[in-house]
Amino acid sequence: DAGVTQSPTHLIKTRGQQVTLRCSPISGHKSVSWYQQVLGQGPQFIFQYYEKEERGRGNFPDRFSARQFPNYSSELNVNALLLGDSALYLCASSLVGTGSYEQYFGPGTRLTVT
Amino acid sequence: KQEVTQIPAALSVPEGENLVLNCSFTDSAIYNLQWFRQDPGKGLTSLLLIQSSQREQTSGRLNASLDKSSGRSTLYIAASQPGDSATYLCAVRPRLEYGNKLVFGAGTILRVKS
Repeated sequence: DAGVTQSPTHLIKTRGQQVTLRCSPISGHKSVSWYQQVLGQGPQFIFQYYEKEERGRGNFPDRFSARQFPNYSSELNVNALLLGDSALYLCASSLVGTGSYEQYFGPGTRLTVT
Repeated sequence: KQEVTQIPAALSVPEGENLVLNCSFTDSAIYNLQWFRQDPGKGLTSLLLIQSSQREQTSGRLNASLDKSSGRSTLYIAASQPGDSATYLCAVRPRLEYGNKLVFGAGTILRVKS
């Protein structure tokens, strides 16, 4: 079975632009979470979606938004990009939206803002 | 607020050495703890998942222990190999947060010299 997939792999944007990142969870998984990892730090939680509803939100500005589709894939949108948004964006999927289920991560999207 | 700390930040060892990576967390109310491996610029690979009711988990040359009451976990790597060189991240799933957010440490960068 395919693991978590993310697209694109790399992305270069200019300050002020908008970007959309995509994630497909493992087949059968209904929960998708997004994380931002700045160089040299651990991943920081941005959002979690389960059954198309937001189930958690980290300490990120409103420029960050996300949604989940009926097939459980997800998009992360970032508006008005800042240099500080440059990071590796990771998507994780799990079977359900809470409790002690293991989470599986995708390869990430490397976003560079110039 | 749950915080996770990993010590040491970096470690360099000769091939064949046994080593221990440390992880501490501030709130013992967790569902589970996961250890991940991350190669440079890549996503996260789950190594071991320890549920809150468990004391340890083993996979091959890896053994992870959990002492929830003291807020500590260790990852033991036996007979280290150059291929073990990577960043090792520990993450906890807080019980008192809605959804399945993971809180990560900053990681330990491991280099195994041949």
